Amino acid sequence: QVTLRESGPALVKPTQTLTLTCTFSGFSLSTSGMCVSWVRQPPGKALEWLALIDWDDDKYYSTSLKTRLTISKDTSKNQVVLTMTNMDPVDTATYYCARIGDCYSANWFDPWGQGTLVTVSS
Amino acid sequence: EIVMTQSPATLSVSPGERATLSCRASQSVSSNLAWYQQKPGQAPRLLIYGASTRATGIPARFSGSGSGTEFTLTISSLQSEDFAVYYCQQYNNWPPGFTFGPGTKVDIK
Repeated sequence: QVTLRESGPALVKPTQTLTLTCTFSGFSLSTSGMCVSWVRQPPGKALEWLALIDWDDDKYYSTSLKTRLTISKDTSKNQVVLTMTNMDPVDTATYYCARIGDCYSANWFDPWGQGTLVTVSS
Repeated sequence: EIVMTQSPATLSVSPGERATLSCRASQSVSSNLAWYQQKPGQAPRLLIYGASTRATGIPARFSGSGSGTEFTLTISSLQSEDFAVYYCQQYNNWPPGFTFGPGTKVDIK
């Protein structure tokens, strides 16, 4: 059974850097074709893709946020970490990690973690 | 960037009735489209991929169709557990990225 779980601070101050961790089980990110991605959702709004890391350590970022995002993985710990710099109240959202089972040809997100709500406020 | 639009924004349906949701892409995404269901306080759940293939465990009352720029998600007979928000997502333009539609909320009439 594949599961993912996000963890990180519930509250960050404006200008701070956010660090989120996705801990997963049931698959290995060293398996060819495997990817993990981050998606966020502001309260009451739509989903927004943020970043992706693949089994080969290639990284991809949202064009609009790429200067603020860094994604990395620790295969031995089954974890993917996302950092976002210079946080602003508009970044208040639930942040999800999700698996992509085949980055070559099957780029849908399944399953998703439960999400973690991050509020940006002074 | 490919822009996804969904209509209607809200769809009011009685239990047992049919619901038809639309998703449109600003340029062709072939059949590289997925649908997700999201209930309040929950993470999205994959329903459909490849525009028309149901994900594992998804009931047969959910069906997807379309290709290119026009897609439809049909729920043949709405059950109480189907009232939720539905999002489409394109993955044709990968890399560089993925885009989601704004969602359609299906609520009880």
